[in-house]
Amino acid sequence: EVQLVESGGGLVQPGGSLRLSCVASGFDFSSYYMTWVRLAPGKGLDWVAYINQGGSAKFYVDSVKGRFTISRDDATNSLHLQMNSLRGDDTAVYFCARWNFALDYWGQGTLVAVSS
Amino acid sequence: ETVLTQSPGTLSLSPGERATLSCRASQSVRSNYLAWYQHKPGQTPRVLIHAASSRAPGIPDKFSGSVSGTDFTLTVSRLEPEDFAVYYCQQYGNSPWTFGQGTKVEVK
Repeated sequence: EVQLVESGGGLVQPGGSLRLSCVASGFDFSSYYMTWVRLAPGKGLDWVAYINQGGSAKFYVDSVKGRFTISRDDATNSLHLQMNSLRGDDTAVYFCARWNFALDYWGQGTLVAVSS
Repeated sequence: ETVLTQSPGTLSLSPGERATLSCRASQSVRSNYLAWYQHKPGQTPRVLIHAASSRAPGIPDKFSGSVSGTDFTLTVSRLEPEDFAVYYCQQYGNSPWTFGQGTKVEVK
């Protein structure tokens, strides 16, 4: 059974940092693009970042470029999102999702709240 | 960037009715690589359709997707109570990948 379990969310002050993690199981993690998608309050789904197999190619939505870093560790089946210089508009539920010609498996999400 | 515009923003229908959701791309989407997702509150999104018209595994045939040029359509043939949700389109043919803003299908 495919499972994606996120962790690392929480309440952080503006300008602060958080590191999200997603542990995958039930499939060959190294063979798939992996993504982070977020859902802000009252808004729709939005890309945050995605990373190819091996980690040689990464994409970031413009609003997080230079602040967020996506990475993967295929040895531990883990996906990470290092988030620095957090802002109020980064407040959202962050989902880890597998890419397989669509986002076919999603984690339950982890809430990131940026507030003073 | 390929902008996806979904319409209507909200669709108010009764169970048993047909739902037709639109997703218009600002430019041609390579190979019609567009997916549709259903999202219910408190649940994870679920992929319904990929490549514009291919149903994902386990998705019932009441869900269908079609495309004409840059206009993509998701049709739910007969709405059941569990179909009331927010639906998103997402293109992956052009870089960067983008989502539409969503259409809420609510009970009339």
